[in-house]
Amino acid sequence: DVKVTQSSRYLVKRTGEKVFLECVQDMDHENMFWYRQDPGLGLRLIYFSYDVKMKEKGDIPEGYSVSREKKERFSLILESASTNQTSMYLCASRAGTPTGELFFGEGSRLTVL
Amino acid sequence: RKEVEQDPGPFNVPEGATVAFNCTYSNSASQSFFWYRQDCRKEPKLLMSVYSSGNEDGRFTAQLNRASQYISLLIRDSKLSDSATYICVVSLYGNKLVFGAGTILRVKS
Repeated sequence: DVKVTQSSRYLVKRTGEKVFLECVQDMDHENMFWYRQDPGLGLRLIYFSYDVKMKEKGDIPEGYSVSREKKERFSLILESASTNQTSMYLCASRAGTPTGELFFGEGSRLTVL
Repeated sequence: RKEVEQDPGPFNVPEGATVAFNCTYSNSASQSFFWYRQDCRKEPKLLMSVYSSGNEDGRFTAQLNRASQYISLLIRDSKLSDSATYICVVSLYGNKLVFGAGTILRVKS
């Protein structure tokens, strides 16, 4: 079974803190994604990566950065957390085919106080 | 107008009922279509892809209407375990996937 593992299920941080969210997948997928999910809005893409050290901005990249130093690992960084970044963050991976299934991690619920 | 729109529901139906969800998309160049299911406090998982000719998987039937730019999901003989949020996903190209906000289904005994 494909497994996408997110390092933290629940985090509580203070405004201005730096936050790292890590994601590891075990299926050798080329593509990895970070989404945030908010009620009534659906999943919105923050960043995605199609190869090691390669990244592209999604629809809402402001306030976030990413790192992909190894194929299996994709990290999301909030340089200075703000209250409007309180959300559920979902990592996903996908093989390189156009219709490939997205496999999600269990999510990281971040609360910024 | 949102790129992908779904009725948020909730749809409250009795066990055994047939329920249908629709999803409309705005970009006529959309190439691939999917239904994902998300249980409460869980991650989304692929339910089924949607093919041009329509496709069926057990009690679930998916249809695509390119002319009217909508996809549908029909669930027959609803079970309690079908209670979840059903999310429509449309792929424009490559890794550009657009998610609907999801439709909540509650099946009651």
